[in-house]
Amino acid sequence: RKEVEQDPGPFNVPEGATVAFNCTYSNSASQSFFWYRQDCRKEPKLLMSVYSSGNEDGRFTAQLNRASQYISLLIRDSKLSDSATYLCVVNVNTGRRALTFGSGTRLQVQP
Amino acid sequence: DAGVTQSPTHLIKTRGQQVTLRCSPKSGHDTVSWYQQALGQGPQFIFQYYEEEERQRGNFPDRFSGHQFPNYSSELNVNALLLGDSALYLCASSGRWSSGSDEQFFGPGTRLTVL
Repeated sequence: RKEVEQDPGPFNVPEGATVAFNCTYSNSASQSFFWYRQDCRKEPKLLMSVYSSGNEDGRFTAQLNRASQYISLLIRDSKLSDSATYLCVVNVNTGRRALTFGSGTRLQVQP
Repeated sequence: DAGVTQSPTHLIKTRGQQVTLRCSPKSGHDTVSWYQQALGQGPQFIFQYYEEEERQRGNFPDRFSGHQFPNYSSELNVNALLLGDSALYLCASSGRWSSGSDEQFFGPGTRLTVL
């Protein structure tokens, strides 16, 4: 079983749609959680950290459910520029800072 | 303020050869991590350097080695290249080790092709 699992997609949605991505992680000791965005042939860039209380940044909302070991990302009012691969990332912070990435979910927003 | 820089951007090698990739961390960062990203996959952690020592290592063979210099820059060396080593190699830097922050900033990567 992979440490971090994501639906690979692709998710094809029209502009203005709301789309949700889900992710599960296997190590209950995981302590830090992130969503990264990666454009084609570019480096991953931090989109947002994910906190137990949930957090929002503009059109983006992230949720964490530690009991179910489940992370989600909601994008409202999708823009063409949101088209990218979204990577779910966890850090089992047992004295180290090595990130474990999911394989990513590809989003294509269409006009 | 320069972000994370990597060189070269692209590299083509043949099986059995050796390669060295370079990384300069973001200003103010002292920890460098290396990741390998195969096509269609998420990045996989190779190893991490702090204070010129390898602190953590992922599930990669000894053919993968590294170094960190006093100015915090780092090198990744891969010996006896295999076709399967073809990937995007990403360097990430993070803030002062003492800060405990695990937010990492990635460089643009080096795309290695092994023929």
